[in-house]
This record gives sequence, C-alpha cells and structure tokens, in this order.
Amino acid sequence: EVQLVESGGGLVQPGGSLRLSCAASGFTFSGYAMSWVRQAPGKGLEWVSAISGSAGSTHYADSVKGRFTISRDNSKNTLYLQMNSLRAEDTAVYYCGKEANYYGSGSTIDCWGQGTLVTVSS
Amino acid sequence: QSALTQPPSASGSPGQSVTISCTGTSSDVGGYNYVSWYQQHPGKAPKLMIYEVTERPSGVPDRFSGSKSGNTASLTVSGLQAEDEADYYCSSYAGSNNFKVFGGGTKLTVL
Repeated sequence: EVQLVESGGGLVQPGGSLRLSCAASGFTFSGYAMSWVRQAPGKGLEWVSAISGSAGSTHYADSVKGRFTISRDNSKNTLYLQMNSLRAEDTAVYYCGKEANYYGSGSTIDCWGQGTLVTVSS
Repeated sequence: QSALTQPPSASGSPGQSVTISCTGTSSDVGGYNYVSWYQQHPGKAPKLMIYEVTERPSGVPDRFSGSKSGNTASLTVSGLQAEDEADYYCSSYAGSNNFKVFGGGTKLTVL
C-alpha cells in the first residue's frame, strides 16, 4: 500500500524558514516524480513544485520560485521542501503527492499524503 | 499561472446526474489530454477520481466520468449518492514552463 507521511510543519515568523519532509513507502520511490501541493485555509488547491524520479528535473510555481527548493533522497525514500523567506500568504496545508510517472510531465497525482500545516505569522 | 475556472457550486438530488465544468486555455486543458479530477471531503486529502480526461483509477465507481471539448473539461457524476457530497478540483498539465495548474474547486451538494 502506498503511504505518504508529511512532517515539519508549524508556526514560523514572516521571513523565516521551514523544511518539510515526506516519507514514502509501498512503492519504488525513485521510479516516480513527486509534487508538493498546498491549500490555504478555506481555499482551493495550488500546485507548488515537482521533481523527477532522479531529481534531475525540478519545476516551481511562480509564487514560490526563488524561495522554495524541492529535493529528494532516494536512499531514504524521502521528499523535501525547503521554504525560505516565508510570507503570510504561504500559510496552508502542504500535501506531498506521488506522480504517476517518472518525469511528472503530463502526469497526475495518484496518491496524496494527509498534509502538514504551515502557519506564517508573527 | 492562472487557475482553471470552475463553478463555485453545483447540486443535485440523489439519483440525478450533475456535470462540473473546468475551463482553461489552449496552453493547458485544450493543449493536452492530461486533465485530472480530484474529490476532497472536509478535512481530508484529495482523492484521484479521473485522469487523462476520461480514465478512472481502480476502485472509483463508474458513476464518475470525464470528458473534454476544446478548452473545457467536464466531470459528470451520475446516480448521485450522499457520499458524493464533497469539493471537486480539476487539474491540467500546462507545459514545461507552468507544469501543473488546478481549478478553483466546486462544492457539490447532494440535496
């Protein structure tokens, strides 16, 4: 059974940093691209970032480009999202998702974690 | 990276059919057959219901179906059941630059 478990969320001040983790199990982690998707309180889903199976290719939404960095450790079956220069508008539940193919392009997120809440506030 | 356009709400009585639209552009919905639909119950993670416009993952009832015409994709839920009441989001591949875009979501109410 595919399982994705996010961690690392919490309360952080504006301008601060946070690193999210997503522990994966139940599938060959290195064989699939992974994504981060966020959902602000009471709002819709917003795709944040994606990374290919080998980490050779990364993609970012304009809203986080230059501030967030996606990475993965295939030896630990873990996905990361390093978030710097955080703003109030980054407050959201952050979900990690398994893409249905290796590159992520033209793919769909076929499995989601339960999410971790990030709150940016002073 | 503009969000895809969905109606904020939709509703139907048990047993009826409801269709939710998702309008994009030729750079996303209209340019690729990579539209997905997700169901999200309150406080829960999204669940994949449709991918590649018309395909249903294993375990998803055949009451759920997808289609696309031009820049607009649609999700149809037939034989509405109480448990179908949820938020529904569409998503599309948007090319190598914008990569992936979601719709704003539609709250489906079963009357």
